[in-house]
Amino acid sequence: SQTIHQWPATLVQPVGSPLSLECTVEGTSNPNLYWYRQAAGRGLQLLFYSVGIGQISSEVPQNLSASRPQDRQFILSSKKLLLSDSGFYLCAWSGDSGFNQPQHFGDGTRLSIL
Amino acid sequence: EDKVVQSPLSLVVHEGDTVTLNCSYEVTNFRSLLWYKQEKKAPTFLFMLTSSGIEKKSGRLSSILDKKELFSILNITATQTGDSAVYLCATPLYQGGSEKLVFGKGTKLTVNP
Repeated sequence: SQTIHQWPATLVQPVGSPLSLECTVEGTSNPNLYWYRQAAGRGLQLLFYSVGIGQISSEVPQNLSASRPQDRQFILSSKKLLLSDSGFYLCAWSGDSGFNQPQHFGDGTRLSIL
Repeated sequence: EDKVVQSPLSLVVHEGDTVTLNCSYEVTNFRSLLWYKQEKKAPTFLFMLTSSGIEKKSGRLSSILDKKELFSILNITATQTGDSAVYLCATPLYQGGSEKLVFGKGTKLTVNP
């Protein structure tokens, strides 16, 4: 069966520090991968999605970036964190065999910027 | 603008009550509507609805879609404290060769013993 792993679960970082969040998927190949952010009291906002290695699409302008160095690995990064980057970050995957498949989420990373 | 609106935003009930959560949507080229349950961490998938009028059921949870009126409901009967969670609905939006989910803000359900 397919599983998705995200780490770390929680992270406290100072303003201006770098960030690297990692997500890996097991039990499937060539998944579609997604990074979402969930701010307090708001819905999930899509940040990035990827349909294959090295293919990244960005939804919103920001100081975050994403990379997909391997088929089942998706990384969210920042060179310098801002206070507004605080939130709950979720990675998700869906199958690549056509659209209209549900996305499945990792357990998320709760990021606090001080 | 593509959007998903959920109501109510929060709901407090007692164990054993039946609840109905609402989700309305406006999206270009609608294909499906999804319901998720989010407790403390990851949203977990509940249902995907593609056809009007066909109820999907899993235990005490059921959901139905009305593509004419552009809404869906999620029913939970005989609620339990373990049903306390945020319930999210979402619909996929296709662009640029891939898809993204457009989420509502969720309904926070609290079930008191």
